[in-house]
Parts: sequence; C-alpha cells; structure tokens
Amino acid sequence: EAQVTQNPRYLITVTGKKLTVTCSQNMNHEYMSWYRQDPGLGLRQIYYSMNVEVTDKGDVPEGYKVSRKEKRNFPLILESPSPNQTSLYFCASSINTGGAYEQYFGPGTRLTVT
Amino acid sequence: SQKIEQNSEALNIQEGKTATLTCNYTNYSPAYLQWYRQDPGRGPVFLLLIRENEKEKRKERLKVTFDTTLKQSLFHITASQPADSATYLCALDRAGGSYIPTFGRGTSLIVHP
Repeated sequence: EAQVTQNPRYLITVTGKKLTVTCSQNMNHEYMSWYRQDPGLGLRQIYYSMNVEVTDKGDVPEGYKVSRKEKRNFPLILESPSPNQTSLYFCASSINTGGAYEQYFGPGTRLTVT
Repeated sequence: SQKIEQNSEALNIQEGKTATLTCNYTNYSPAYLQWYRQDPGRGPVFLLLIRENEKEKRKERLKVTFDTTLKQSLFHITASQPADSATYLCALDRAGGSYIPTFGRGTSLIVHP
C-alpha cells in the first residue's frame, strides 16, 4: 500500500531534550516536506526537500533541522524543543504532475513540549 | 504578501444538497490550485488540482472552478452525504515555481442527515 508513515504518533517531552520524528514514504517520490498545523494558523511548511541531499527552508524553519540521506526518509529534528513547538506535525511526499505537486500526507505526530 | 482566504465559519447543509466552498486569494497569480480534505486529527488528503488555464475540473461528485480574474476558486460537492463532513483546504503554489505551497486555513463542512 502506498503510504507515508510517521513515528511516533504522539510524543510528550520536556524543554531542551532533543528529539527526532521519522518520516518514510514508499512511493519513490522525490519531493518531501514537513508541516506544522496550529489552531487558527493552518498548515505551515517547515522544510522541504527536492531530492536526496537537497533541502531548503519553508515558512517556519526556526528551531528545526532536517536531513535527506535516502530518498524514502526525511526525519525532522528538534535539537532543543521549546513549548512553542507544541503542535501537530505532518510529513508529506509529492509527485510532480506536469509542474504541479500533488501531496500525500502522513497521519501526523502530535507533539507536546512542557 | 500572498494571502488565501477561506470562510472560517462552518458550512451547514442538508444531505442531498450541493455544498459550495470558496477560496479567495490576493497578491498573486498562481499556476495551479489544489483542494484537500482533512478529517479531525488526520493528514490532509489530496482531492483535485486545477491549473490556471482551466476553468473547471470534475471528479465524481466534486467540481472545482478557477476564476483568475476574480482570484477565486469554488469547490462544489453535489448530492452531499454526512460522510462528506470534514474540513476542506485550498492550497496554491507560489511564484517562480517555488516548492512552498500556501494553504488556506480551511472551511469546515457539516452535512446533516
């Protein structure tokens, strides 16, 4: 089954404790991205990757890191989480259809930083 | 700066009626526009894409229009069902082929039996 998986699905952590949220897709998509979704603010892109070893900042990259060493994986790293990073996070992979990108989202990771 | 507006108030309709959701944008001329469905606590699901040179696109009970003069897209669900209840998001690409889409905040649709 074609899908985007994320782990963990739920995470409660404390300020400053480094964490990684994994993302994997099995559709051989070149493009992957991370979003956060907050009430009243909608979906905002954190980072995206157009291919292996190619990453770039989205709208809200501060406090996050990513890497793309393999095509299928795109982990999101919070080196020193803070309470304002409490949010619902989504990973997405995309297929390029004639210059437009249809995005396939993962199930989400609900992160709470205390 | 580029801005997308979707009605923040929930749309309540009766089963069997046509639901119409609106997406307005300003300060930009996108090459394409997408519509997604999102259920509570779950990831958005891609529904339809319409390009700037297309006026209308259909998929089963769904229809999307794109008016670049009015800077507006309308999303229609005909013969709506309670299972269509969800939040619907529109998303636009950005200038210069950037891979940073802009999402609207979504409109909640509630279909009553």
